[in-house]
Amino acid sequence: GIQVEQSPPDLILQEGANSTLRCNFSDSVNNLQWFHQNPWGQLINLFYIPSGTKQNGRLSATTVATERYSLLYISSSQTTDSGVYFCAVDWGGSEKLVFGKGTKLTVNP
Amino acid sequence: GAGVSQSPSNKVTEKGKDVELRCDPISGHTALYWYRQRLGQGLEFLIYFQGNSAPDKSGLPSDRFSAERTGESVSTLTIQRTQQEDSAVYLCASSLGGRVFGDTQYFGPGTRLTVL
Repeated sequence: GIQVEQSPPDLILQEGANSTLRCNFSDSVNNLQWFHQNPWGQLINLFYIPSGTKQNGRLSATTVATERYSLLYISSSQTTDSGVYFCAVDWGGSEKLVFGKGTKLTVNP
Repeated sequence: GAGVSQSPSNKVTEKGKDVELRCDPISGHTALYWYRQRLGQGLEFLIYFQGNSAPDKSGLPSDRFSAERTGESVSTLTIQRTQQEDSAVYLCASSLGGRVFGDTQYFGPGTRLTVL
């Protein structure tokens, strides 16, 4: 099956810093999503991005499908950005999503 | 309006018992998803319903797991003969359209299942 790897596994930042999270995948995908899970467990779907670049406020994402990776950029980080960021891919003919293990981000004040 | 709701919020059961988890999606959302998250781990996709189409059940981990959805409303996830490895938080999400449309998924608070 497809492998989805995220890096780094853990990231600690000071408020105001920028960061880049990476998601590598081992096969062609139909779609790719980024999720944020806050420290209280609530999940938010951030982006659907099978290719190209999208931006939403301080967050942006870029997927280079031909090179099988996606990047999530967080600019001017805030403490509320803390949590775990997951990448997930649609792969093959089914609707099954395969998730990476996540990047745990801690933003300190 | 109301978000996605799930019930119960917590469920403790004994090994071998059956459990039923409920998800009420946002009204008007045609797509509904179930996920599982074991403690300290990532998300596992379980099943996806899109309108009245047959769901893809390929994410269900065993035949002890089943899920139903009536039209575009409530969904139930049933786990038969529960095992300790079923202990996890079960999350439900809904979206206006399906994944092909790239619509945002809205998640419920989850049901924390503990199998003793």
